[in-house]
Amino acid sequence: AQTVTQSQPEMSVQEAETVTLSCTYDTSESDYYLFWYKQPPSRQMILVIRQEAYKQQNATENRFSVNFQKAAKSFSLKISDSQLGDAAMYFCAYRAKGNNLFFGTGTRLTVIP
Amino acid sequence: DAGVIQSPRHEVTEMGQEVTLRCKPISGHDYLFWYRQTMMRGLELLIYFNNNVPIDDSGMPEDRFSAKMPNASFSTLKIQPSEPRDSAVYFCASTRLAGGYEQFFGPGTRLTVL
Repeated sequence: AQTVTQSQPEMSVQEAETVTLSCTYDTSESDYYLFWYKQPPSRQMILVIRQEAYKQQNATENRFSVNFQKAAKSFSLKISDSQLGDAAMYFCAYRAKGNNLFFGTGTRLTVIP
Repeated sequence: DAGVIQSPRHEVTEMGQEVTLRCKPISGHDYLFWYRQTMMRGLELLIYFNNNVPIDDSGMPEDRFSAKMPNASFSTLKIQPSEPRDSAVYFCASTRLAGGYEQFFGPGTRLTVL
């Protein structure tokens, strides 16, 4: 069974600083996708970044980047130059060949001005 | 594109009443998903459709829950009869298999059952 674990229920970061959110997952598949979704207070789920497991290069989207360690089944999200608008719940998610998305329990990120 | 549209945004009802949540996926998307989010259980997949056909409904909690997709642009999730433990935010999401596997979420419906 696929499981996604986010061990940090809450994190905080000073504005303009860098923060890393952790995610580990368990799977027997070799081909899959990993995602980070952001859920601000509006509760809209917004895709932040996506990683294909077959790609060795870590995905990057502007201030957001991932550290994908396939052997360790680790998929952390780094937010650089944190902004007040980054404050939200962040969910790590896994998807294999089927279409089910399995979500972690989320990390609440607070950005301190 | 308007994105995934859900209605209503908020629903308050009394225990025992029927509740119907609605979703319009993004045009051209052939997969539609219904999720439920609660503090206790997080985000759970309830059911998903491919080309209007239910593929996996193993997440539907019990027979009180049913979902339909009569055409490519409309789906409903019905709870009958509703119970207080059904209170949650219900999300609809859609994706296009050829489109990189990202699921696009609607704004959610916050359901409160009194």
